[in-house]
Amino acid sequence: GAVVSQHPSWVICKSGTSVKIECRSLDFQATTMFWYRQFPKQSLMLMATSNEGSKATYEQGVEKDKFLINHASLTLSTLTVTSAHPEDSSFYICSAQQGDSNQPQHFGDGTRLSIL
Amino acid sequence: GENVEQHPSTLSVQEGDSAVIKCTYSDSASNYFPWYKQELGKRPQLIIDIRSNVGEKKDQRIAVTLNKTAKHFSLHITETQPEDSAVYFCAARFMEYGNKLVFGAGTILRVKS
Repeated sequence: GAVVSQHPSWVICKSGTSVKIECRSLDFQATTMFWYRQFPKQSLMLMATSNEGSKATYEQGVEKDKFLINHASLTLSTLTVTSAHPEDSSFYICSAQQGDSNQPQHFGDGTRLSIL
Repeated sequence: GENVEQHPSTLSVQEGDSAVIKCTYSDSASNYFPWYKQELGKRPQLIIDIRSNVGEKKDQRIAVTLNKTAKHFSLHITETQPEDSAVYFCAARFMEYGNKLVFGAGTILRVKS
């Protein structure tokens, strides 16, 4: 149980392109979804928290207009990196949580984004 | 501020030996502490978690201990095997900051056979 699917797993695109990443909870309804960024050999840095049907809460230093998050249903959240540049290249991972904040987060497989 | 410190950053043990990873946190109101294992290029996987109403939890070769007074918690892996080699992250839920999880910097565990 508690399977989270994330697509695509790998994206290579040109600078200036917008990239959309999907995060789906396959066998449970996710009250809350989280988006993290992970640099090589570093920890997970929370970018934003999204609840179904409401605006995402962004962490300090994360540009809302750069990283657009939509959480339209209890099983799907999307992260769109707009006008991506090489410095946006990173490993992006989503997680999903069922129920209240005392429940565990289950992670997707991550998306490796490379901007040329 | 929100902070979770994790030590050591790297740990090498001989197969069959035990491994211990320690974390400290800053928010005394934190009440949930998960541990994740991440293999190279893969998703973090929850391996064990503990809530503040207990001091210890065990699942086969893995155990976690929590000292709320000292604000630290530890992961113990006994009878280590080569497949335990990975990066381990501790985390604490920070009540003061919207209930978000704050992760430690990670520990690279190498089990030598």
